[in-house]
Amino acid sequence: AQTVTQSQPEMSVQEAETVTLSCTYDTSESNYYLFWYKQPPSRQMILVIRQEAYKQQNATENRFSVNFQKAAKSFSLKISDSQLGDTAMYFCAFMKPNTGNQFYFGTGTSLTVIP
Amino acid sequence: DTAVSQTPKYLVTQMGNDKSIKCEQNLGHDTMYWYKQDSKKFLKIMFSYNNKELIINETVPNRFSPKSPDKAHLNLHINSLELGDSAVYFCASSLLPAEKLFFGSGTQLSVL
Repeated sequence: AQTVTQSQPEMSVQEAETVTLSCTYDTSESNYYLFWYKQPPSRQMILVIRQEAYKQQNATENRFSVNFQKAAKSFSLKISDSQLGDTAMYFCAFMKPNTGNQFYFGTGTSLTVIP
Repeated sequence: DTAVSQTPKYLVTQMGNDKSIKCEQNLGHDTMYWYKQDSKKFLKIMFSYNNKELIINETVPNRFSPKSPDKAHLNLHINSLELGDSAVYFCASSLLPAEKLFFGSGTQLSVL
């Protein structure tokens, strides 16, 4: 089974500052996808960013970017210019194609943006 | 229009009862899922259906029975509810192969 580890249960950041959330995963596959999902207090799961393992270029979505280190099996999320609305649980996820689309989620990091 | 909708949003019931949660997606996806999020926020796959066929069935008590009448619907029926079933249940959908999961808003089940 694939495993996804998020070693930071809780983090906080001052508004407008930058914060990095860590994620490592374990797999023997070469082709897979990695995701960061955000779950605000509303409970809705929202896709933040997606990375394809065969792409060397790190994905970016506005203030969100990743540092994908394939050899180290590391997939960290950087949030720049943090906003109050970024307060949420953040889940790292791994998906291997052609296995029924099974997504494996990490245990989550609770991020609080402090005004 | 909501892409993945599940009802009800909240469900409070007594131990031993039988309950159902409904899920519908209007995205034209061919794969649907049920996930369980426990009190520690851990998300775990329960079931996955592709075009009405079960493709993932994790170790879940057989009191849980998914039913997919068509590829746009995946319902979850739970028999003889137990205290430990209290959790948030998420429905999700995707294309196959998946680019991403689209989640419903979750059903918070409380078993008293």
